[in-house]
Amino acid sequence: NAGVTQTPKFQVLKTGQSMTLQCAQDMNHNSMYWYRQDPGMGLRLIYYSASEGTTDKGEVPNGYNVSRLNKREFSLRLESAAPSQTSVYFCASSAALAGGQNTQYFGPGTRLTVL
Amino acid sequence: QKEVEQDPGPLSVPEGAIVSLNCTYSNSAFQYFMWYRQYSRKGPELLMYTYSSGNKEDGRFTAQVDKSSKYISLFIRDSQPSDSATYLCAMSEMSGTYKYIFGTGTRLKVLA
Repeated sequence: NAGVTQTPKFQVLKTGQSMTLQCAQDMNHNSMYWYRQDPGMGLRLIYYSASEGTTDKGEVPNGYNVSRLNKREFSLRLESAAPSQTSVYFCASSAALAGGQNTQYFGPGTRLTVL
Repeated sequence: QKEVEQDPGPLSVPEGAIVSLNCTYSNSAFQYFMWYRQYSRKGPELLMYTYSSGNKEDGRFTAQVDKSSKYISLFIRDSQPSDSATYLCAMSEMSGTYKYIFGTGTRLKVLA
């Protein structure tokens, strides 16, 4: 099992460009998440999908859109990238909505720089 | 004031030392407490999970929660160079919620 995979690993964009970050999990999990990690800020939730067909905003959704393509895949789109979106992005999944015993499994991250 | 505070470190200790990592929080509704380990350029992985107050032990790791003081700790006994990583605490109010609040992480270096 690969667990949670993310592509690309690294990306450099210019301000105003768009891109999609891809995430896939092979653990048959229902719930998936997108976080960003910034120095001194900890992990912050951007969007989550409690189950296939549903998506909801997290703490910092502005400037992002998501698609839960199927049970395995959850993509994050930046429509018009801004320097403030320079960050490391993590995708995670869990069997059910996380909390308590529902463990979140994280991918390796995508390092995004917006110039 | 942040909901969860964590000393960023770095914390450097010699191999074999006992390490104490801590988080304080302000939200008394938090009931679920987690510790994650994150190696450089990797995603976080869950180390320990605790519900409410008390201690939980798993091998060399002990998680402790003191809800009256709003303080949680992770102890690592007989620390090894392979324990060198960033340790993140996380908390949530209830099970079955998307809402975790993460600490900023403490960077630990165990020197051989």
